Parts: sequence; C-alpha cells; structure tokens
Amino acid sequence: SQKIEQNSEALNIQEGKTATLTCNYTNYSPAYLQWYRQDPGRGPVFLLLIRENEKEKRKERLKVTFDTTLKQSLFHITASQPADSATYLCAPILSGGYQKVTFGTGTKLQVIP
Amino acid sequence: GAVVSQHPSWVICKSGTSVKIECRSLDFQATTMFWYRQFPKQSLMLMATSNEGSKATYEQGVEKDKFLINHASLTLSTLTVTSAHPEDSSFYICSAQEVAGGRAKNIQYFGAGTRLSVL
Repeated sequence: SQKIEQNSEALNIQEGKTATLTCNYTNYSPAYLQWYRQDPGRGPVFLLLIRENEKEKRKERLKVTFDTTLKQSLFHITASQPADSATYLCAPILSGGYQKVTFGTGTKLQVIP
Repeated sequence: GAVVSQHPSWVICKSGTSVKIECRSLDFQATTMFWYRQFPKQSLMLMATSNEGSKATYEQGVEKDKFLINHASLTLSTLTVTSAHPEDSSFYICSAQEVAGGRAKNIQYFGAGTRLSVL
C-alpha cells in the first residue's frame, strides 16, 4: 500500500541554522509533491509544489528537492526563525486534475531563539 | 493566494444534535472540495470528496449517513455531522481546488478548520 513517512520525531533547531525535513514515500510514483505548513488549531497553508522533472525549487528561505530515484523529498528552511515553528506536511500527488491528497504524518519543527 | 472560508471555527453541541459546517471559496470557483478530519497530534485524514452537483465520494470507513455532504454551488460545500456523539469530537478541515481555464490546478487551499466538541 502507498505510504508516506516524515520525521516522526519533533525537530528542534537553533535560530539561524538550516532546518531539513524529510519526506519518504513508498509504492508511489507521484508526478508532484507539495509541502504545507500547519500551525496548531489551523488549516494547512500551501508552501511549495515541485514536479517530478524538477530537482529543486526555491522560494525565499525555502528550498525543496525531489529525488524520484530515492523516493524522497527534502524541505529546507535556511536562516530559521522562531516564527518558522510549526508542523510541516508533505503530500505526494499522482497526477494533475482533481486529486485527493494524502498527507504525511508531518514533522513538528521548533526553532529555539 | 486563493481564500477558503470555513465556518464556524468552534462549535460545542450536545450529544444527539446535528452540526453543519460551511466551506466557501471566496475568490475562485471550486468544482471539487475535500473534507478532512484531524485528531490531536495526527495527520489529516481524508473523509470525502465533495463534487458540485453530484454525490460526494466517501473514503472507506466513513459513514455517509453520519457525515452528510452537500456541494450546492461552485463556491459552497457543507458538512453536516448528524446525531453527533462525543467520539465525533475532532478538528474538521475543508479544502478547495481551484479551477482555471476549465482545468484543476494542483494546489489545494484550506479553510481554517472547525473544532467540534460534543458533550
């Protein structure tokens, strides 16, 4: 069955450092992979989408990589700030169109001042 | 970005009553909306896919008579939790997928969620 795994442990990182979050998937061949941010008691907010033919995507301090051979996506936040503290969810998507999205379990990031 | 409004944000009800949650896409049309449920410290679990003008598609294990979904227009979907019980207490979140040029974009926009507490 299809499976999505993210760092199950919370990730604590010092302010100013780069946070790296991992998303591994099995029994999937996604055409896209999305990353979302979720704050407590709130709905997820879309951050980045990367396509299978893209190795890397950047947006301000965020960088996402997509390795279809390793079946893995890495999500980096450079120069991390306490305001980056949240849970980050990855969501592989099989193809375009109306696709129901299955989310990973999420990684809780805590940036320590 | 596109905005999805979800209402109410918090509701407390007595056991046996029904609760309706609204999900609106404010500045775009959404032929398809999704309803999720999230328990504390867990990820979002898809409950159903709501299609405008047709019946919703429910995920395995989700009771369609318990969770009634109505998608009456391109901007509004509602989820009604019927005869709610304490085990239905959870965080319910909707999302909408934007349509542009007759095609669905690959980004889902989420509502802020509804916290349901059944006493």
